[in-house]
Amino acid sequence: DQQVKQNSPSLSVQEGRISILNCDYTNSMFDYFLWYKKYPAEGPTFLISISSIKDKNEDGRFTVFLNKSAKHLSLHIVPSQPGDSAVYFCAVRSRDDKIIFGKGTRLHILP
Amino acid sequence: EAGVAQSPRYKIIEKRQSVAFWCNPISGHATLYWYQQILGQGPKLLIQFQNNGVVDDSQLPKDRFSAERLKGVDSTLKIQPAKLEDSAVYLCASSLRPSGVAKNIQYFGAGTRLSVL
Repeated sequence: DQQVKQNSPSLSVQEGRISILNCDYTNSMFDYFLWYKKYPAEGPTFLISISSIKDKNEDGRFTVFLNKSAKHLSLHIVPSQPGDSAVYFCAVRSRDDKIIFGKGTRLHILP
Repeated sequence: EAGVAQSPRYKIIEKRQSVAFWCNPISGHATLYWYQQILGQGPKLLIQFQNNGVVDDSQLPKDRFSAERLKGVDSTLKIQPAKLEDSAVYLCASSLRPSGVAKNIQYFGAGTRLSVL
């Protein structure tokens, strides 16, 4: 039973436009939410995170939004650049400090 | 700063054979993790070490998988005997701070891709 769901396996976005990646979770006890980015043949790299006590966190072109009532997390990338093409994993941290990853969404930035 | 080093990058074995993976975490990182990533899935935690002690191995198939972290630095993950369903990428990660600390960022190595035939 998936606790973290990324329902879109892939997403294509025009360069310069906004990319929105979505993630749903099932357990309201998660206290930290993270996004990792992965290029082929490399390990995932930390991108941005948000605490459960906040609803928005911004870092340059990347913004993460948290809607606790809907148990929904989203990552916005504005403007999208070719180097953003990668697989993005949503991850949640439980109170016993386990990190659970979603299946990932492959983002293609089109020229 | 050097990242998390893993070797080998690729390994092909036949079922029932044994295999071992090696990980060298970022210098000074106390916590080390091994993950299994099956194709099309996200990474799944197998085992977590704090220094050279095991914090969590609840998802490690202990009948065939073993891991150790000698002297609280390098770590090895072993599979004996391997099954077809063990084909995956095995990722090692490390973090600076102990578990339970807010925003305890994990840094990943490039992984070892295992193919069991």
